[in-house]
Amino acid sequence: QSALTQPASVSGSPGQSITISCTGTSSDVGTYDLVSWYQQHPGKAPKLMIYEVSKWPSGVSNRFSGSKSGNTASLTISGLQAEDEADYYCCSYAGYSTFVVFGGGTKLTVL
Amino acid sequence: QVQLQESGPGLVKPSETLSLTCVVSGYSISSGYFWGWIRQPPGKGLEWIGSSYHSASPYYNPSLRSRVTISVDTSKNQFSLNLRSVSAADTAFYYCVASPGGGGYLYYFDYWGQGTLVSVSS
Repeated sequence: QSALTQPASVSGSPGQSITISCTGTSSDVGTYDLVSWYQQHPGKAPKLMIYEVSKWPSGVSNRFSGSKSGNTASLTISGLQAEDEADYYCCSYAGYSTFVVFGGGTKLTVL
Repeated sequence: QVQLQESGPGLVKPSETLSLTCVVSGYSISSGYFWGWIRQPPGKGLEWIGSSYHSASPYYNPSLRSRVTISVDTSKNQFSLNLRSVSAADTAFYYCVASPGGGGYLYYFDYWGQGTLVSVSS
């Protein structure tokens, strides 16, 4: 069982927006603004999409956006495209002992 | 641009030690990143194993701490993972990663190797 809770799957049609939630606790997401999101296509390594809750790495489309409220972080993808179909993982710093926790992953299907 | 490449045996016997190396290119391993490992059992989610700075004590996943050693070799610009007493549950894709951090913090993982599958079987 993963430390952070994500929905197993979400879906949307091209052009629509979807949001993936990531629920943690006051020991991780709720305390630290160190939530990151990763996209993983089949057979590929994960790719950093959002860091520190809402920042974009160089080269990542601004169709991807991140936010946080309380113990829940969210990833929103606007203007869905076929290439967005992938697995998405959230991650949070969790203090000086546990350090890092991941969500179980969400499979995004573009209909 | 940081590039990471894992290498090591694809098959390890139960109770033995899994050893992987990650070669870093395009960046000096002594220059400010934490170097670590994340694994992913086939069809499952990601699990952070640990991360180390070249001149500081490593950070380890508490659930694996008793079996894991991560070391950084600045002379070869590479770092390594040793996971002792493996079982079938350790079968996974192993990714080497780079992350900014410091002062007890790890921020995010912005560079990843392509991953290598290690199976544990007799």
